[in-house]
Amino acid sequence: DIVMTQSQKFMSTSVGDRVSVTCKASQNVGTNVAWYQQKPGQSPKALIYSASYRYSGVPDRFTGSGSGTDFTLTISNVQSEDLAEYFCQQYNSYPLTFGAGTKLELK
Amino acid sequence: QIQLVQSGPELKKPGETVKISCKASGYTFTDYSMHWVKQAPGKGLKWMGWINTETGEPTYADDFKGRFAFSLETSASTAYLQINNLKNEDTATYFCERRAYWGQGTLVTVSA
Repeated sequence: DIVMTQSQKFMSTSVGDRVSVTCKASQNVGTNVAWYQQKPGQSPKALIYSASYRYSGVPDRFTGSGSGTDFTLTISNVQSEDLAEYFCQQYNSYPLTFGAGTKLELK
Repeated sequence: QIQLVQSGPELKKPGETVKISCKASGYTFTDYSMHWVKQAPGKGLKWMGWINTETGEPTYADDFKGRFAFSLETSASTAYLQINNLKNEDTATYFCERRAYWGQGTLVTVSA
């Protein structure tokens, strides 16, 4: 199985900052990576697919990048509503696997 | 608009069976496969598998082979997840998911 490693369980940020959440795949997954945002008590919301494409309606302050094994979700000009947990997922091969998540918190 | 609406929370005893529904609307049901994802309390997301909505063929992740069953009622645009012989470790929220759209989740609590 492909392991998706999000090495930072928590990240502290301030409103207006730029923050980057990273995700490393245990083997080459091309650009078959998605990013999700989850707030407490809610279902995940899809942000990014194919590593760098935003879903419709996702603010352009969310940017995905990377290919192969290293991926990044960058949030520019962080807003209070962005405080949530972020998960990466690879869908290059079965079983699909998620990273353990990174919680974005206020400093 | 596209929606996946899941059935309500369930409280079950060990050894019992639960069947969760996921009703899709706003698109052609058979155009997209349906995936199921488990989230234990305070934990991350675990992919359980998927079902081909055209053929009804399910595919299960290794940890979900045996007691878990995906099924469809295509005429009602509904997918189901059944868990047999429930165990305490099945306590979790279960989500159905279709390419960027997620159900609201169904909390299954297993307790004697």
